[in-house]
Formats: sequence, structure tokens, C-alpha cells
Amino acid sequence: DIQMTQSPSSLSASVGDRVTITCRASQSIDRYLNWYQQKPGKAPKVLIYAASTLQSGVPSRFSGSGSGTDFTLTISSLQPEDFATYYCQQSHTNPILTFGPGTKVEIK
Amino acid sequence: QVQLVESGGGVVQPGRSLRLSCSVSGLTFRNYGLHWVRQAPGRGLEWVSLISYDGTNKYYVDSVKGRFTISRDNSKNTLYLQMNSLRVEDMAVYYCATHYGSGRFMDYWGQGTVVTVSS
Repeated sequence: DIQMTQSPSSLSASVGDRVTITCRASQSIDRYLNWYQQKPGKAPKVLIYAASTLQSGVPSRFSGSGSGTDFTLTISSLQPEDFATYYCQQSHTNPILTFGPGTKVEIK
Repeated sequence: QVQLVESGGGVVQPGRSLRLSCSVSGLTFRNYGLHWVRQAPGRGLEWVSLISYDGTNKYYVDSVKGRFTISRDNSKNTLYLQMNSLRVEDMAVYYCATHYGSGRFMDYWGQGTVVTVSS
């Protein structure tokens, strides 16, 4: 099984900050990596798929990069609505899609 | 617009059964694979099960194999999850989600239904 890890598990940041979240796979997953945002009490929402493709309607301040085992989600200028938990998800074993443990982004 | 509406959650004792439903509208149901994803209180997302667009292929996370059964009725645009021999560790919010095959991600999600397992 492919194991996903994320770092940090949580972070505190201010509006306007540049935020970077890292996701690592236990083996190469090429570019089969998705990122989701989840706000409290809500369903997750896909932000980025295939490592770097922005889902329609997602603000351009979100970007993704990486391949193989190491991936990054970057928020270029954190907005108030971006405080949430972010999950990576590997799709190398498509159609089985498994999640990382999540990174909670909190207000400093 | 696309809507997924889960139902069937509730409070159940350990060892008992529950059937979840997910009613889908706004898309061609028979064209989509469908997932169940759960989230235990205060925890992260866990993929649970997937059924292919035509129901022929079914997949499960190891922890529910032999206890949970995923199914679908394409005539009713409805997805199901039959959960037997429930355990305390199955307690979670259960979400259904569509599988966007070409993009390999979950694109539409329901609002979730809460399953509480307690004696």
C-alpha cells in the first residue's frame, strides 16, 4: 500500500502570508497527486489534481508542484477564507484514491 | 446543478447494521464511479469503498472488508453502503462522492451523514 504523509500537521499564519504544505508518498506516484480543502462541518473540495492542474473555479493563489514522491501545495497570499484543513490524495492506484493525514491552517 | 444527498445515518449499537443511501441528481448517474469516504470525529479523511459506473467492480479499505457492501441502483440514481457488524471505530461522518475518471479525483460530494456506534 502507498502511505501518504504531510507536513506540517498544523501551522499558524497571517492573512497575506505565503504558505507551503508538503506531501510525501511512500513510493513514486508520478504526478498522481490531488489536493483538497475542507472547512469545518463541510465536505472536502478539490483544489488541484494531477499535481499541478488547478480545478475550475479555484483561485490562482493556489498552486501545486512535484512529482515522484514529493509534492507541495502553495498558497501565495493567504486569505481569510483559506483557513481550513488541506489533504493530499494519491491517485496512482486509481480508482482507489487514498488521503494523507491533513494539514490544518490556522489564524496566527 | 449536481447534488448528492446522503441519508440513513443514526445511532446504532456495536454489532448491529445500518444502510446508508446517497441520492444523486444533476448528472448522468450511470456514467460515474462512486466513492464512500468517512471522517471520524476530529480525524482525517479515510477512503472506504468504491463502485464502478456499472457496478461490476467494487473495492474496500481493509478495515471494512467482509462487513460493508457497496452497491448501486442506476434506475434510481442511488448509491448504497450496507454496514454490518458495526464497530465503535466505524463511527464517523460518511460522505459519498463521484469519481472523475479522467482526472482521477473526487469532484462532487454530498454533505455527509453521521453514523454513531455506541452501546
